[in-house]
Amino acid sequence: DAGVIQSPRHEVTEMGQEVTLRCKPISGHDYLFWYRQTMMRGLELLIYFNNNVPIDDSGMPEDRFSAKMPNASFSTLKIQPSEPRDSAVYFCASSGIGQHYEQYFGPGTRLTVT
Amino acid sequence: GDSVTQMEGPVTLSEEAFLTINCTYTATGYPSLFWYVQYPGEGLQLLLKATKADDKGSNKGFEATYRKETTSFHLEKGSVQVSDSAVYFCALNSNYQLIWGAGTKLIIKP
Repeated sequence: DAGVIQSPRHEVTEMGQEVTLRCKPISGHDYLFWYRQTMMRGLELLIYFNNNVPIDDSGMPEDRFSAKMPNASFSTLKIQPSEPRDSAVYFCASSGIGQHYEQYFGPGTRLTVT
Repeated sequence: GDSVTQMEGPVTLSEEAFLTINCTYTATGYPSLFWYVQYPGEGLQLLLKATKADDKGSNKGFEATYRKETTSFHLEKGSVQVSDSAVYFCALNSNYQLIWGAGTKLIIKP
């Protein structure tokens, strides 16, 4: 398996623009997690899905952030409008049936908002 | 709520030194415990795990023992290499999520 795939790997955008981050989980995995990592706040769970349904989005910082999972092989995290404080590395992770705590991480998307 | 506390870094050691990174936890019930590692520019990857008290997880020369009496899961390695330089995260599972420690940066000098 190719592992968790994220795109783009790097994104530079201007404040106010819409940003869409993409994730393809490992085939057969039924949990998908979106994280944000910064030096100041460390690793934060934003939202997670089970069988394409959002289970807990309490970590989503504000209404500017939204996430979708239209099918088992694709998820998006959207920020609209983006702000400089959104600059971070965003990770997607997935885990499988019966081993939901063994999360497999993608390489991350480094977002810079200027 | 459940939480994980790790020793602050960075931890700087010379090659072939003995490594300990402390991790303690607070949890209701008996969670599984994990160490993940993040190499520069990469995502986190599972290093080792333990699912019940007194279990010892091991991988790549690293090991950690689940100590219920001290609520600890310290990471150890007998002889570190430059290639072990990374950030190490301790975690526990809680309601289908992982509760993460803050991470400890390890720097190994040749």
